[in-house]
Amino acid sequence: NAGVTQTPKFQVLKTGQSMTLQCAQDMNHEYMSWYRQDPGMGLRLIHYSVGAGITDQGEVPNGYNVSRSTTEDFPLRLLSAAPSQTSVYFCASSRHGPGQGGNTIYFGEGSWLTVV
Amino acid sequence: SQELEQSPQSLIVQEGKNLTINCTSSKTLYGLYWYKQKYGEGLIFLMMLQKGGEEKSHEKITAKLDEKKQQSSLHITASQPSHAGIYLCGAARVVGNKLVFGAGTILRVKS
Repeated sequence: NAGVTQTPKFQVLKTGQSMTLQCAQDMNHEYMSWYRQDPGMGLRLIHYSVGAGITDQGEVPNGYNVSRSTTEDFPLRLLSAAPSQTSVYFCASSRHGPGQGGNTIYFGEGSWLTVV
Repeated sequence: SQELEQSPQSLIVQEGKNLTINCTSSKTLYGLYWYKQKYGEGLIFLMMLQKGGEEKSHEKITAKLDEKKQQSSLHITASQPSHAGIYLCGAARVVGNKLVFGAGTILRVKS
């Protein structure tokens, strides 16, 4: 998982609280994305970005916000945490998007979030 | 049903035995990724396959892509306890510029 750093690793939130999961990569990748992993459902795409200043929604964007002010950073914001957002969150980066093919996609080590 | 179906969902093998994990897509495969995940950790990239008939190997793990069947297989030869974990396949999708994942295969290796 070289090059993609996520913080924090573990977090407990109360319902209604907001927080930001940080993601940084040092490989000068244009494409960055956030997934959530839930038991029996695999990983699902939340938001993605094809470059600084450009973001788009994935499959499950509701309740999350992103921005991409620099190439290196792609934070994920939970606006008002709900128990349904209890999950493991993964950030990923690659030179190009998966749809363009031919590039390795690197994942961070994950952030475990519990909303009580 | 999911776009990517992995089988089996889980398996337990004796150390030294061979095993195969399959990943079948309901849509055309443009690129297929294999990752390994240990519980509580991140995803480790194993291999990426792009062309029909492509086969790649890394140490004792071999992956193949059958474009016509829209299927990929991951084969582990002479399994070791270090192979234990969750194996995930991911397919590149042009629409949405994303990876879609299977639910994963849990592998346990008994020593």
